[in-house]
Amino acid sequence: AQKVTQAQTEISVVEKEDVTLDCVYETRDTTYYLFWYKQPPSGELVFLIRRNSFDEQNEISGRYSWNFQKSTSSFNFTITASQVVDSAVYFCALASNNAGNMLTFGGGTRLMVKP
Amino acid sequence: EAGVAQSPRYKIIEKRQSVAFWCNPISGHATLYWYQQILGQGPKLLIQFQNNGVVDDSQLPKDRFSAERLKGVDSTLKIQPAKLEDSAVYLCASTEGRGGKDTQYFGPGTRLTVL
Repeated sequence: AQKVTQAQTEISVVEKEDVTLDCVYETRDTTYYLFWYKQPPSGELVFLIRRNSFDEQNEISGRYSWNFQKSTSSFNFTITASQVVDSAVYFCALASNNAGNMLTFGGGTRLMVKP
Repeated sequence: EAGVAQSPRYKIIEKRQSVAFWCNPISGHATLYWYQQILGQGPKLLIQFQNNGVVDDSQLPKDRFSAERLKGVDSTLKIQPAKLEDSAVYLCASTEGRGGKDTQYFGPGTRLTVL
């Protein structure tokens, strides 16, 4: 069975602070895919990134960066110099072909960025 | 390119009534998913279609929920009769292929309130 755990249910920061959202996953598959989605108050899930299990390179996209570590089964997401528009619920998710490519989501982390 | 379309955006019904939700995936996307997202939780897969065939409906409460994708394009999810615990956001997603590597793109969701 696959499982994704986001231990931080809610984080509050002041604008311009850096913040890291944690994600820990469990799977028996050797090939799998990890995702991060953003859900703003409007409700739509917005795709942010996909990472393959065989590619442990970290990725940076503007103020966003992701740290994938297979040794600790973690896929953490860092926002540098947070902005009020970053306020949303962020979901980490896991998929694998052996699980019928069903996306298994974590419980989400609500990020509040205060001005 | 147009995204995943869903309607209605909001629906309020009384328990034991029936309700239907509609989804039009991204053009050319063969795989369509329906998720249920209860407040404060991550989305959970209800059913997955590949073209007009069901790939996975193991988590669909079939005594009251039904879904179809007759022409392999748009899809309808129905609840009959609704219960209070069905109050949730119903999200539709689509992917071009069927593999776990394929990114799922989500629609804006339908927020259902059962009174």
